[in-house]
Amino acid sequence: DSGVTQTPKHLITATGQRVTLRCSPRSGDLSVYWYQQSLDQGLQFLIQYYNGEERAKGNILERFSAQQFPDLHSELNLSSLELGDSALYFCASSVGGVPLHFGNGTRLTVT
Amino acid sequence: LAKTTQPISMDSYEGQEVNITCSHNNIATNDYITWYQQFPSQGPRFIIQGYKTKVTNEVASLFIPADRKSSTLSLPRVSLSDTAVYYCLVVFNTNAGKSTFGDGTTLTVKP
Repeated sequence: DSGVTQTPKHLITATGQRVTLRCSPRSGDLSVYWYQQSLDQGLQFLIQYYNGEERAKGNILERFSAQQFPDLHSELNLSSLELGDSALYFCASSVGGVPLHFGNGTRLTVT
Repeated sequence: LAKTTQPISMDSYEGQEVNITCSHNNIATNDYITWYQQFPSQGPRFIIQGYKTKVTNEVASLFIPADRKSSTLSLPRVSLSDTAVYYCLVVFNTNAGKSTFGDGTTLTVKP
């Protein structure tokens, strides 16, 4: 058990909709990272937060946004969903700069 | 960002030592090299991290030559449960998550 909790585990929605994925980091970890994993793209870094502030940004679409709250949990918001957004979304956490502890992901299916 | 290259797949037999090499020609001075293991439908699991020379823990060793343009993950005496995808990750700066996962190496351990 990594100590990172992601909810929901599965999400099925239609194109054009908006969803929110939630991540609770391992206790004591200040950094939260979001990754997207699809069959044809591998693990793609989206964004990192450290203690509530955005620290690094990767290949995150403008339709996607994230934030980290004072209690350190994080949410990834995906809007105007497209079929190609179907993927596994992972959250990871760590004390510092290396994503050490990964959750088991949220599987998003856009129909 | 340092781009990583790994073999797509490798086969081995139980009890053998497995070495997986990752190339990262553009690695920067502050980059660390981290390896993860991933089983289907699970988040990646941290295995080992290093900066130079050799690092060993209870499950693996990591060898990094002086020029740091490659690294080798060594798994001693693999078992069937080591069948998984192994990712090499070059961590950009020790305090930033902007990192590049490789495409991963699918290791299949046979009885």
